[in-house]
Amino acid sequence: NAGVMQNPRHLVRRRGQEARLRCSPMKGHSHVYWYRQLPEEGLKFMVYLQKENIIDESGMPKERFSAEFPKEGPSILRIQQVVRGDSAAYFCASSPGPDTIYFGEGSWLTVV
Amino acid sequence: SQQGEEDPQALSIQEGENATMNCSYKTSINNLQWYRQNSGRGLVHLILIRSNEREKHSGRLRVTLDTSKKSSSLLITASRAADTASYFCASRDQAGTALIFGKGTTLSVSS
Repeated sequence: NAGVMQNPRHLVRRRGQEARLRCSPMKGHSHVYWYRQLPEEGLKFMVYLQKENIIDESGMPKERFSAEFPKEGPSILRIQQVVRGDSAAYFCASSPGPDTIYFGEGSWLTVV
Repeated sequence: SQQGEEDPQALSIQEGENATMNCSYKTSINNLQWYRQNSGRGLVHLILIRSNEREKHSGRLRVTLDTSKKSSSLLITASRAADTASYFCASRDQAGTALIFGKGTTLSVSS
């Protein structure tokens, strides 16, 4: 049973470009979460999705960031017009229910 | 908002010693979880303790929960160099939907 798969693992974008991060949850998991981690800091919750629905986006910046989890295919975290402050590790996690969540290995975004 | 706060922020010990990390949280919870993160990697779930439990063991890990003090502790016994990592507590408040993490304790075990 494959774990949570994230790609790309590393992404470099110039300021003003778009970044798209993909996450395939574990088989049988219908809950997906995105977190952001800045250097030397903990994880900051961004958004919680179920298939075709955003359940909680209270941690998402109001502009430039969006997330989706379509009926078919991976969950996508999209960052438009990236700025240097967006440089961080973005972690996706999935769960079959409300308790334990399982993390992917992360996508490291560097904005130059 | 941050649900959990770990203490200490950093801990350095020798192999064979025990390591204790503490976590305080703000609101009533259904359960509290501990995760581990090696440098440059994703988080790995270690143990979950429910609000009606006071203590739980898993191998060399012992977790306690004191809901009256809103605190938890993670004890790693007989530490090894391979235990070097950051450790995070996480919980949902009873009305919340997402798991909220503290800033973590960075543990360094030297041989």
